[in-house]
Amino acid sequence: DIQMTQSPSSVSASVGDRVTITCRASQGISSWLAWYQQKPGKAPKLLIYGASSLHSGVPSRFSGSGSGTDFTLTISNLRPEDLATYYCQQANSFPRTFGQGTKVEIK
Amino acid sequence: QVQLVESGGGVVQPGGSLRLSCAASGFTFSSYGMHWVRQAPGKGLEWVAFIRYDGTNKYYADSVKGRFTISKDNSKNTLYLQMSSLRAEDTAVYYCAKEFSSDYYDYWGQGTLVTVSS
Repeated sequence: DIQMTQSPSSVSASVGDRVTITCRASQGISSWLAWYQQKPGKAPKLLIYGASSLHSGVPSRFSGSGSGTDFTLTISNLRPEDLATYYCQQANSFPRTFGQGTKVEIK
Repeated sequence: QVQLVESGGGVVQPGGSLRLSCAASGFTFSSYGMHWVRQAPGKGLEWVAFIRYDGTNKYYADSVKGRFTISKDNSKNTLYLQMSSLRAEDTAVYYCAKEFSSDYYDYWGQGTLVTVSS
C-alpha cells in the first residue's frame, strides 16, 4: 500500500498569510493526487485534483503543485473561513490512501 | 443538484451486522463509480471500498476485506455497504462519495454514524 505523510500536523497562521502543507508518498504516484478540505462537523470537499488542477468553485488562493512523491498545497492570503483540516489522497492505485491531515488554525 | 444521503447507521454489538444505504440524486448514477470513506471519532479519513459504475469491479481496504460488501442498484439510484463481523474499530462516520474524473471524489454525503459497542 502507498503511505501518504503530511506535514505539519497543524499550523497556526494569521489572516493574509501564506500557508504551505506538504504531502509525501511512499512511492511515486505521478500526478495522481488530490487535496480535500474538511471543516468541523462537515463532509470533506475537493479542492485540487491531478496534483495541480483547481476544482470548480474553489477560490484561486488555493493551489497545488508537485509530482512523483512530493506535493504541496498552498493557501495564499489566508482567510478566516479556511479554518479546517486538509487531507491529501493518492489516486494512483488501490487501496486509496489519505494523509493523516493538517489542521489549519487562525491566530 | 447532486445529493447523496446516507442512512442505516446506528449502534450494533461486536460481531453484528449492519447495512448502510446511500440514496443518490441529481446525476446519472449508473454512469459513475462510488466510494465509501469512513472517519473514526476525532481521526482522519480512511478509504473503505469502491465499486465501478456498472458494478463489475470492486475494491476494498484490507481492514474490511472479507467482512464488508459494496454494491449498487442502478435501478434504485442507491449504493450499499453490507457490514458484518463488526468490530469496535469499525466505529466511525461513514460517507458515500461520487467519483470525479475516475479517481477523485467531488460530492460527499453528510455521513452516517456507526457505533460498535456492547
